[in-house]
Amino acid sequence: DTGVSQDPRHKITKRGQNVTFRCDPISEHNRLYWYRQTLGQGPEFLTYFQNEAQLEKSRLLSDRFSAERPKGSFSTLEIQRTEQGDSAMYLCASSFGTDYQPQHFGDGTRLSIL
Amino acid sequence: QKEVEQNSGPLSVPEGAIASLNCTYSDRVSQSFFWYRQYSGKSPELIMSIYSNGDKEDGRFTAQLNKASQYVSLLIRDSQPSDSATYLCAVNHKAAGNKLTFGGGTRVLVKP
Repeated sequence: DTGVSQDPRHKITKRGQNVTFRCDPISEHNRLYWYRQTLGQGPEFLTYFQNEAQLEKSRLLSDRFSAERPKGSFSTLEIQRTEQGDSAMYLCASSFGTDYQPQHFGDGTRLSIL
Repeated sequence: QKEVEQNSGPLSVPEGAIASLNCTYSDRVSQSFFWYRQYSGKSPELIMSIYSNGDKEDGRFTAQLNKASQYVSLLIRDSQPSDSATYLCAVNHKAAGNKLTFGGGTRVLVKP
């Protein structure tokens, strides 16, 4: 069990640029989740996948955000035309595919928009 | 009203004492409950899960769940300086797509 892996750990970019983050879940886990956390707040749900299917998207996820999990393994989260308000920690979590299973988080990608 | 509420703290406890953290939730159909510990600048780390009313103990941690009162708590016995962190309460239910809804966290400071 190597844990959930996220890349990069930090990303600094200028407003208006596109960014892409990658998440590799725990290998036996078929559910994968993306959350966003800002300073002093708890994580907020963005979207989740069961295998390659994206089953739910939060209303927080504007049209500038897109997530994929093409082969049911790793996932990518892309933010187009970044804005100052996108600055946050982006967290990926994974779990087994049965209900109520605990989610295990990666170290996150910290995004800073200049 | 927030879906999951926690006192933001800081909760200051002397080393060796019991830290008591509380969490209330608004959705009666919530079905599973988790406590995560988050050190500054790090990601949340699962420390406890609880699904049924009552107490669940794991080492120095005890989680307590009361679904009728929509209340879940975490006790940390023999608090150590290394327990200083933010503790996040999270709830989910199947109908919400298994997403976790988090409280804002309670910051705990354990003073030597």
